[in-house]
Amino acid sequence: DAKTTQPPSMDCAEGRAANLPCNHSTISGNEYVYWYRQIHSQGPQYIIHGLKNNETNEMASLIITEDRKSSTLILPHATLRDTAVYYCIVYAGNNRKLIWGLGTSLAVNP
Amino acid sequence: DGGITQSPKYLFRKEGQNVTLSCEQNLNHDAMYWYRQDPGQGLRLIYYSQIVNDFQKGDIAEGYSVSREKKESFPLTVTSAQKNPTAFYLCASSIRFWQPNQPQHFGDGTRLSIL
Repeated sequence: DAKTTQPPSMDCAEGRAANLPCNHSTISGNEYVYWYRQIHSQGPQYIIHGLKNNETNEMASLIITEDRKSSTLILPHATLRDTAVYYCIVYAGNNRKLIWGLGTSLAVNP
Repeated sequence: DGGITQSPKYLFRKEGQNVTLSCEQNLNHDAMYWYRQDPGQGLRLIYYSQIVNDFQKGDIAEGYSVSREKKESFPLTVTSAQKNPTAFYLCASSIRFWQPNQPQHFGDGTRLSIL
């Protein structure tokens, strides 16, 4: 199963872009990259996912490198409500597992 | 609004007691899942269900039981055999079972503590 590596914590100023990196150097060809976030005492919230191409939705953008060994989640204009733990997960479905690491604790500061 | 509802938000269990955590979804999803989250750890899979009347053990099923009599409902029972039940329990669902291009969506969890 492919594993992911994320920095344990990051800070971002309110209104600025938050760029959260994720390393998944052992990802295989059929594995998707997923991002979730979890605000304290709540369930994980789905943000975005992608396979090869960059993706954008109303919450964030996902940039995947050409070799697919790393990705970056971009929150374009971070707000205080974006303070949460962000999880990067690689997922193929055939192993029937979402492998959750410890994530990145993002603090958005006023 | 469609979503996943877990209840209660907080639950306390006495020694030797079984307790049941509720999970209801109105997303018309076939698949449902139960996870356990302990402080400083990632989520671990307890049980999952592909369709009604089906369920399978996950990685840490010992001391837990489930049922799936209705598509919308997937209750989890924490039995007295589970010796370390204090944790944050999360229910999730997805359109189909383990489809890699379909995300799992989560409820807001139940925090279980021992009295």
